[in-house]
Amino acid sequence: EVQLVESGGGLVQPGGSLRLSCATSGFTFDDYAMHWVRQAPGKGLEWVSSINWNSDHITYADSVKGRFTISRDNAKTSLFLQMNSLRAEDTALYYCVLDNASYLSRIFDYWGQGTLVTVSS
Amino acid sequence: DIAMTQTPLSLPVSPGEPASISCRSSQSLFNSDDGNTYLDWYLQRPGQSPQLLIYRLSSRASGVPDRFSGSGSGTDFTLKISRVEAEDVGIYYCMQRIDFPSVTFGQGTKLEIK
Repeated sequence: EVQLVESGGGLVQPGGSLRLSCATSGFTFDDYAMHWVRQAPGKGLEWVSSINWNSDHITYADSVKGRFTISRDNAKTSLFLQMNSLRAEDTALYYCVLDNASYLSRIFDYWGQGTLVTVSS
Repeated sequence: DIAMTQTPLSLPVSPGEPASISCRSSQSLFNSDDGNTYLDWYLQRPGQSPQLLIYRLSSRASGVPDRFSGSGSGTDFTLKISRVEAEDVGIYYCMQRIDFPSVTFGQGTKLEIK
């Protein structure tokens, strides 16, 4: 069974940093691309960032480019999102998402339960 | 960015009745190089994470009942549920992925049982 378990969310002041993690199991991690998708409270879905199986293809939404860094550790079957210079508009539930391919097909096959990031003073 | 517009935003349906959700994109989602249309559908049940229903216009994801079907072309798309069941309650999102690297979601359609 595919499991994606996010952690690292919390309350942070504007301008602060957080590092999200996604621990995975139930599939061969380095066979698949991974993504982060977020959902502001009571709002819709917004793609944040993507990384292919071997980390040589990484993409970001314009809204986070230059502030967020996606990475993965295939040996530890984990996905990460380093978030710097956080803004109030980054407040959201952040989902770790499994692609259905090693490249960035962007078919979001499985979703974690999410970790909540709140940016507020 | 390609804008995605869904209608209606709210959809009350009686059990056993059909339901239809429309999605319109600001640009064609058809790729003439490979013949595919890059439009997917997701369902977010209350209190749950989204799940993939339909990918590439009309292909059902694993485990999705055949009462769900996707259709359309170019910029106009439809998700149909042939007979609504209680477990179909939630918010339905269309999503385009012909653009790269961005994908964009529609604003969501909330299906509820009458």
